[in-house]
Amino acid sequence: DSGVTQTPKHLITATGQRVTLRCSPRSGDLSVYWYQQSLDQGLQFLIQYYNGEERAKGNILERFSAQQFPDLHSELNLSSLELGDSALYFCASSVGPLINTEAFFGQGTRLTVV
Amino acid sequence: TQLLEQSPQFLSIQEGENLTVYCNSSSVFSSLQWYRQEPGEGPVLLVTVVTGGEVKKLKRLTFQFGDARKDSSLHITAAQPGDTGLYLCAGARSNTGKLIFGQGTTLQVKP
Repeated sequence: DSGVTQTPKHLITATGQRVTLRCSPRSGDLSVYWYQQSLDQGLQFLIQYYNGEERAKGNILERFSAQQFPDLHSELNLSSLELGDSALYFCASSVGPLINTEAFFGQGTRLTVV
Repeated sequence: TQLLEQSPQFLSIQEGENLTVYCNSSSVFSSLQWYRQEPGEGPVLLVTVVTGGEVKKLKRLTFQFGDARKDSSLHITAAQPGDTGLYLCAGARSNTGKLIFGQGTTLQVKP
């Protein structure tokens, strides 16, 4: 158990819909990272928040947004869903703003868009 | 453009054999991490290498960071079925918060 909690574990939804994925980081970690893992693209960095503020942005679509709340949990919002958004979405957390040491990954949310 | 190239992509070997997985890039990284991921689970960190030329051992696993900090390798001695999984390398740059992952190497160790 990494200490990072992601909910839900599975999500099936229709095209055009909107979903919210939730992540609770390890106790004491201030950074939260979101990654998307698909078969053809591998693990792709989406976005990072550190202590409530956006810290780094990767290949995140405009239809996607995220935020980190004062209690440090984070949510990833995916809207106008397309079939190609089906993937595993992982959240990771680390103590500081830089990823040089180590990040701990949650078990992921498997999103299926039908 | 894939910044980190892993090879091979797939590897199927017999128990007891040795293997090496390579992670190559034209970019310099401040550190490189190796993860192992099992189906339905998130990646689990195995090791972080920081210094060029660094070698770290974790039981039967040996990790090396290239002198120029552009490449890394993972060597497994006497592989066991429990080593089966997806091995991912990931590079970090010191002034950013993001990890760049390789495509992964799927290892299958047959008993």
